[in-house]
Amino acid sequence: AQSVTQPDIHITVSEGASLELRCNYSYGATPYLFWYVQSPGQGLQLLLKYFSGDTLVQGIKGFEAEFKRSQSSFNLRKPSVHWSDAAEYFCAGGGLTGGGNKLTFGTGTQLKVEL
Amino acid sequence: EAGVAQSPRYKIIEKRQSVAFWCNPISGHATLYWYQQILGQGPKLLIQFQNNGVVDDSQLPKDRFSAERLKGVDSTLKIQPAKLEDSAVYLCASSQGGGTYNEQFFGPGTRLTVL
Repeated sequence: AQSVTQPDIHITVSEGASLELRCNYSYGATPYLFWYVQSPGQGLQLLLKYFSGDTLVQGIKGFEAEFKRSQSSFNLRKPSVHWSDAAEYFCAGGGLTGGGNKLTFGTGTQLKVEL
Repeated sequence: EAGVAQSPRYKIIEKRQSVAFWCNPISGHATLYWYQQILGQGPKLLIQFQNNGVVDDSQLPKDRFSAERLKGVDSTLKIQPAKLEDSAVYLCASSQGGGTYNEQFFGPGTRLTVL
């Protein structure tokens, strides 16, 4: 079965420190992978996506993610975290499932930024 | 451009009552999705529409949930009768097409509390 796992429920980092949020996937073929951010009371906003090609993907707000097939991972990174990055982050995967556009979301990682 | 609109933003009802949520997608977006996000979990797809036809409703509890998208534009999701476990945020999203590579744009959600 297709699944996406985010092992860390909560992460706390200091402002200015680097950040890495983990995501592991289980798909039969090459998946389409996404990272979304959700601020309190807001809908989800797409940070970046990977379909094929270059395994290092650049997104908005200074985020990047690296697709590693050997590790079935798609970790999200940011070199220097800002207080405004505090939010919940969701990794999601999609595939060619009968022509639909079904995304499977992980359970999310809540990021807290200490000033 | 205007984003995905949802109403109401909050709803409190008692169990066994009925409730309806409304979603207006981004203009021109053919595909519309309803997700259920239970506290502490990632969003789960309930139903996907392509124009006014259903593409995927495999995870919709059809004994109590129903959804329609008349005229292929806005959509209504209904719960009748509600159960305590239906307490969640209901997210609507839209995309230009139905392929996984099409970015989904999310609305702010409706937070439902069932007492």
